[in-house]
Amino acid sequence: NAGVTQTPKFQVLKTGQSMTLQCAQDMNHEYMSWYRQDPGMGLRLIHYSVGAGITDQGEVPNGYNVSRSTTEDFPLRLLSAAPSQTSVYFCASSYDRTLNTEAFFGQGTRLTVV
Amino acid sequence: GNSVTQMEGPVTLSEEAFLTINCTYTATGYPSLFWYVQYPGEGLQLLLKATKADDKGSNKGFEATYRKETTSFHLEKGSVQVSDSAVYFCALSDVDSNYQLIWGAGTKLIIKP
Repeated sequence: NAGVTQTPKFQVLKTGQSMTLQCAQDMNHEYMSWYRQDPGMGLRLIHYSVGAGITDQGEVPNGYNVSRSTTEDFPLRLLSAAPSQTSVYFCASSYDRTLNTEAFFGQGTRLTVV
Repeated sequence: GNSVTQMEGPVTLSEEAFLTINCTYTATGYPSLFWYVQYPGEGLQLLLKATKADDKGSNKGFEATYRKETTSFHLEKGSVQVSDSAVYFCALSDVDSNYQLIWGAGTKLIIKP
C-alpha cells in the first residue's frame, strides 16, 4: 500500500522560477492538505481540500496555488519562487476531518530557493 | 486561539534512560490530542492519541495522559532505545479550530548508545 506519495524529494530552484510539487494518495481519502516545516515552527498549513473540486487557504497561503481535480491528487504550485519559500513541504491526507482522524503524511519535499 | 507548546530540544539521553517530553496546550473547546513522530528522512506518523480527559494513549512503549486540569499531554517512555531517535510533535484538533491540526514546534530526541 503506497499511502501518500510526494515527488520530487529534493528540488533546487532559482528565484522567480515556478514548479509543482506532486502529491497522490491511494487510500480514497477526502481530506488532503499541504504543510511547510521550518525549524522551530512546527508545521504550518498552506492549503487544504475537503474533496475533489474544493480547496481553501490555510495559515500561510501566499505564493502558493492548489487544485483538486481528482480525489487522489493534490498538487501544490509555486508560481514565482522566493528564498522565503525554502522549506520542507509535506502533503497529508485523512479519511475525513473530525476530532479523532489520523493524518497520513508523505515523505516530504526539501525545497531550496537560491 | 488554540496553541500547543512543547519543550525545546534537542533532548539527548543515553539508551535505557527514562524519557519525558513536555507538551501543554491552549484550547477553547474540548480537543483531541496527538503525538506524531518523524524519523530521519521520513514523513510524520501517528504515535498515539487521546480523545478526552484522563484518557491514556499508548504505542511502542510510549504513553501520554490527557490532563485537562493542567492542560498537558506529556510523552513518556520508561526505557528508550537508539531507534527512538526522531523528532516528536504534539498536536491538537478542536471543533473551534475547524478540526485543523494545531502543531507544536517539535522536539528532537537523540539517544546515544
